[in-house]
Amino acid sequence: GNSVTQMEGPVTLSEEAFLTINCTYTATGYPSLFWYVQYPGEGLQLLLKATKADDKGSNKGFEATYRKETTSFHLEKGSVQVSDSAVYFCALNYGGSQGNLIFGKGTKLSVKP
Amino acid sequence: EAGVTQFPSHSVIEKGQTVTLRCDPISGHDNLYWYRRVMGKEIKFLLHFVKESKQDESGMPNNRFLAERTGGTYSTLKVQPAELEDSGVYFCASSLVGALWDEQYFGPGTRLTVT
Repeated sequence: GNSVTQMEGPVTLSEEAFLTINCTYTATGYPSLFWYVQYPGEGLQLLLKATKADDKGSNKGFEATYRKETTSFHLEKGSVQVSDSAVYFCALNYGGSQGNLIFGKGTKLSVKP
Repeated sequence: EAGVTQFPSHSVIEKGQTVTLRCDPISGHDNLYWYRRVMGKEIKFLLHFVKESKQDESGMPNNRFLAERTGGTYSTLKVQPAELEDSGVYFCASSLVGALWDEQYFGPGTRLTVT
């Protein structure tokens, strides 16, 4: 079946450190891939997305590339800030019924000053 | 533009009681989704409305859950009677198109605790 696996947290980094959160997926067809972020006390919001192989999504210094050969969509940021502390969710939409997102378990990131 | 809103933000009820959660999507968004995150697990899809019609309710766990979207605007999710395993955070999301590449806008969630 369709599924998303992302690295378990929590992840604790110092400010300006490099961030990688791994995400791999299993899906039929050609899904769209997403990273959502949930800041403390808020709802999920879209961070970035990619809709086809080799697409790179980017936003707020975060990047992720849709790798079909490795079925991966790893999230990276070169220099994290305290304000990046949040829970990050990798998700896919395979279009099975036109819109249902399948999520990973989430990775909690804490950035220390 | 107002985002997706959910009410209440937190509900604590006893096993066997009834609870109704409400979601107001972004104005003009025909697609409305309910998801649930049980402690320590993934966020799971529950159902999808297109306007007032249920497009997909394959994620609804059992017949104790009833979702409605009368008039194609706000939606309610009723749990009756509530069980302990229903505890979790219930998210509502809406989108304009409903396509697989479309962004879904999420509300802040309702945290349901069944004791």
